[in-house]
Amino acid sequence: EVQLVESGGGLVQPGGSLRLSCAASGFTFSSYWMSWVRQAPGKGLEWVANIKKDGSEKYYVDSVKGRFTISRDNAKNSLYLQMNSLRAEDTAVYYCARDLGYCSGGACYTPLDYWGQGTLVTVSS
Amino acid sequence: AIQMTQSPSSLSASVGDRVTITCRASQGIRNDLGWYQQKPGKAPKLLIYAASILQSGVPSRFSGSGSGTDFTLTISSLQPEDFATYYCLQDYNYPHTFGQGTKLEIK
Repeated sequence: EVQLVESGGGLVQPGGSLRLSCAASGFTFSSYWMSWVRQAPGKGLEWVANIKKDGSEKYYVDSVKGRFTISRDNAKNSLYLQMNSLRAEDTAVYYCARDLGYCSGGACYTPLDYWGQGTLVTVSS
Repeated sequence: AIQMTQSPSSLSASVGDRVTITCRASQGIRNDLGWYQQKPGKAPKLLIYAASILQSGVPSRFSGSGSGTDFTLTISSLQPEDFATYYCLQDYNYPHTFGQGTKLEIK
């Protein structure tokens, strides 16, 4: 059974840092791209970042570029999100998710087929 | 970034109704689009990917169509468990972007 379990959320002051972790099990972690998605309280979903299977490619939404860093440790089956210079608008539930990585007819798609339960990050003084 | 616009933002319907939700991209995205269902306090669930492929385990009353800029999610006969918020997500280019969501409520 595929499981993704996030941890590391909590209350942090503006300008502070936090590191989120996502422990993966039930699948070959090193064979999948992985993503972070967030949801501010009462708001919609926002894609944050993703990372290639071997960590060699990383992509970010503009609002977190230069402040957040996605990384992974395939030996530990773990995904991370290092968040620096946190702002009030970063307050959200952060989900890690697996990219399905489906390819057909020369095109590849990366829908998010498994999600963790989320971890809440609150940025407030 | 590509903007994804869903319509309607909210919808009231009854059990057994046929419902259609639309997602429009600000530029062509081939068929690189997925649909997700989210219930309160829960993580989203993948329903459809590549615009029309039903994710394993998802009931066949859900279907998706479209390519280019216009996409639809159809629920052929609403069931009580389908009342939720639905999101589209483009994975054509970076950053990937979600629509703002469509809240489906019981009439």
